[in-house]
Amino acid sequence: SQKIEQNSEALNIQEGKTATLTCNYTNYSPAYLQWYRQDPGRGPVFLLLIRENEKEKRKERLKVTFDTTLKQSLFHITASQPADSATYLCALDAGNNRKLIWGLGTSLAVNP
Amino acid sequence: DAGITQSPRHKVTETGTPVTLRCHQTENHRYMYWYRQDPGHGLRLIHYSYGVKDTDKGEVSDGYSVSRSKTEDFLLTLESATSSQTSVYFCAIRGELADTGELFFGEGSRLTVL
Repeated sequence: SQKIEQNSEALNIQEGKTATLTCNYTNYSPAYLQWYRQDPGRGPVFLLLIRENEKEKRKERLKVTFDTTLKQSLFHITASQPADSATYLCALDAGNNRKLIWGLGTSLAVNP
Repeated sequence: DAGITQSPRHKVTETGTPVTLRCHQTENHRYMYWYRQDPGHGLRLIHYSYGVKDTDKGEVSDGYSVSRSKTEDFLLTLESATSSQTSVYFCAIRGELADTGELFFGEGSRLTVL
C-alpha cells in the first residue's frame, strides 16, 4: 500500500534562509500531491497542490517540486520568517474515492 | 475562512458513555470527512460522506458511526467511548475546484476519555 515519509526530525533554520522539506512516497505516483501547514492547536491549512505532470509550482515565497522518478516532492520556503514556524504536512491522493494519504509532518522552526 | 465549525471544541467524558461531535459547514460542499490526529500516527480517516445519507468508512472506523441528514451537518458518534478514542478530531470539507481535492479543516475537537 502507498506510504508517505516526511522528515521526522524537526528542522531548525535561521531567518532569511531557505527551508526545504521532503516528502517521499513508496508506491504508485499520485495524480496530485498537496502541502498543508498546521499550527499548534489548529486544523491544517491548505498551501499548494502539484499535479503529476507538473515539475514545479510557486506561490509567493513557497515552491513545490514533484519528481515522479525519485518519488519525491520538495517544499521550499524562501526568505523564511519566524512566522513560518509550524508543522508542514504532505498528502497525496489515494487514487480512489476522493481520499488522501497523509504524512506525519515535519516541524519547522525559524529562528530570528 | 472555509465556514466550518466543530462542536464541542473540548470534551471530557467517561469510558462507556456516548459522545457526538458535530461538524457544520456553510459552503454547501458535497464531501465531508472526519479525521483523528494522534502523535506518531498523523491524520487518519474515520468516515467520510459524499452526500446526504451517503457515507463510507475510512481506515479507523471501528467504534465510530456517522450521519448526514443535511448537506451542512456531519455528525460523528462514539457509541461507547473508550480511552483509545482520546484524540483530536478534525472535520474537513473538500474544495469543489475541478478534481484537485484540497481540504479545508475545522479547528478540531479535543476529546478526553477517562
